[in-house]
Amino acid sequence: DTGVSQNPRHKITKRGQNVTFRCDPISEHNRLYWYRQTLGQGPEFLTYFQNEAQLEKSRLLSDRFSAERPKGSFSTLEIQRTEQGDSAMYLCASSPSGGKTEAFFGQGTRLTVV
Amino acid sequence: AQTVTQSQPEMSVQEAETVTLSCTYDTSENNYYLFWYKQPPSRQMILVIRQEAYKQQNATENRFSVNFQKAAKSFSLKISDSQLGDTAMYFCAATGTASKLTFGTGTRLQVTL
Repeated sequence: DTGVSQNPRHKITKRGQNVTFRCDPISEHNRLYWYRQTLGQGPEFLTYFQNEAQLEKSRLLSDRFSAERPKGSFSTLEIQRTEQGDSAMYLCASSPSGGKTEAFFGQGTRLTVV
Repeated sequence: AQTVTQSQPEMSVQEAETVTLSCTYDTSENNYYLFWYKQPPSRQMILVIRQEAYKQQNATENRFSVNFQKAAKSFSLKISDSQLGDTAMYFCAATGTASKLTFGTGTRLQVTL
């Protein structure tokens, strides 16, 4: 079963360091989404790609955050100069298209900034 | 823009009983979709059921069904014959033409013996 894969599953980093997460979507899916989930909350949308094009970014995505999807396959989410407030679960999802189409989620990367 | 509200932080139900999780939403879009996702402990989120807003008929998937009241902007989930494996966080979500999901804060469901 080649579902959505996220690496690493857990990341502990010191404040001020840079971190990068990777998401490998289901291979035939052209849409890829990043969400952030903090404890006790539902996931919040960060950004999404249609193939390699980044089509929308949330205001939650500050200048310290950048996401890429080269060649429309895997995606990376980088956080520069991490802050304690960045501690959260970062979820990736993919879908063949938008709207009513089901989004398939990965297991997430849990980031802890100390 | 959409907002999704889940007013029940926690619910408990006995095995084999029926439970209903509440969700209300607001949206400025005419064409939108509603979802219930399940997030078991330490596992990824999976789709439980979806509803297209232009369809009046309530969606059903085996033991899961929804009560979609469009005028009231209400979208509740009914789980019949609850099973221990139904224990999870349940998120109500909405999406429109932009395709991004807007989630509620979730309801933690505990199924007990």
